[in-house]
Amino acid sequence: SQQGEEDPQALSIQEGENATMNCSYKTSINNLQWYRQNSGRGLVHLILIRSNEREKHSGRLRVTLDTSKKSSSLLITASRAADTASYFCAFTGGGNKLTFGTGTQLKVEL
Amino acid sequence: GAGVSQSPSNKVTEKGKDVELRCDPISGHTALYWYRQSLGQGLEFLIYFQGNSAPDKSGLPSDRFSAERTGGSVSTLTIQRTQQEDSAVYLCASSIRQISGNTIYFGEGSWLTVV
Repeated sequence: SQQGEEDPQALSIQEGENATMNCSYKTSINNLQWYRQNSGRGLVHLILIRSNEREKHSGRLRVTLDTSKKSSSLLITASRAADTASYFCAFTGGGNKLTFGTGTQLKVEL
Repeated sequence: GAGVSQSPSNKVTEKGKDVELRCDPISGHTALYWYRQSLGQGLEFLIYFQGNSAPDKSGLPSDRFSAERTGGSVSTLTIQRTQQEDSAVYLCASSIRQISGNTIYFGEGSWLTVV
């Protein structure tokens, strides 16, 4: 399967702690994106990192990409209860198909 | 419109019936995608439309599934002779052009339950 693998599958942390999610893939990629999904409905784009970039920041989000290891990580700093959601990595290779990872369910407790 | 619009939001249908799911992409977006997500699972690619090019149908799970996009805008996903395993959320997304390097925007999905 060309689907990305994410770990952990589920993560439970306390508010204020940092959350780290990892994504691994098998193909060469053009870029990698991270999405958030609340309550199993629409996904919201968080951040995109291109294959020639190693790190990118957006607010409390930090994404890293290691193309030699075919892996990416998403770090959410100073987490809040409102960050509770499922997080998916997604990537494109040589074509137009956006392939999604298996997702990490994050729960941030007060 | 302001975002990707999907209808119906929820659909319950009897096994064996046909269903149509509609997607209205963001105005001006030439690329349109359909994905399927079963409960607690990741997203499964179904089909991709780009402008007037032939669609990429490589993800359609069987010949009971088909999709069309009329006038380069609205798309309809049709599932014929529905089966219980078709129960899932069907998500539509659009982007301003082909996906590489561009953000895609998702609709809220159509939750299909086959009983």
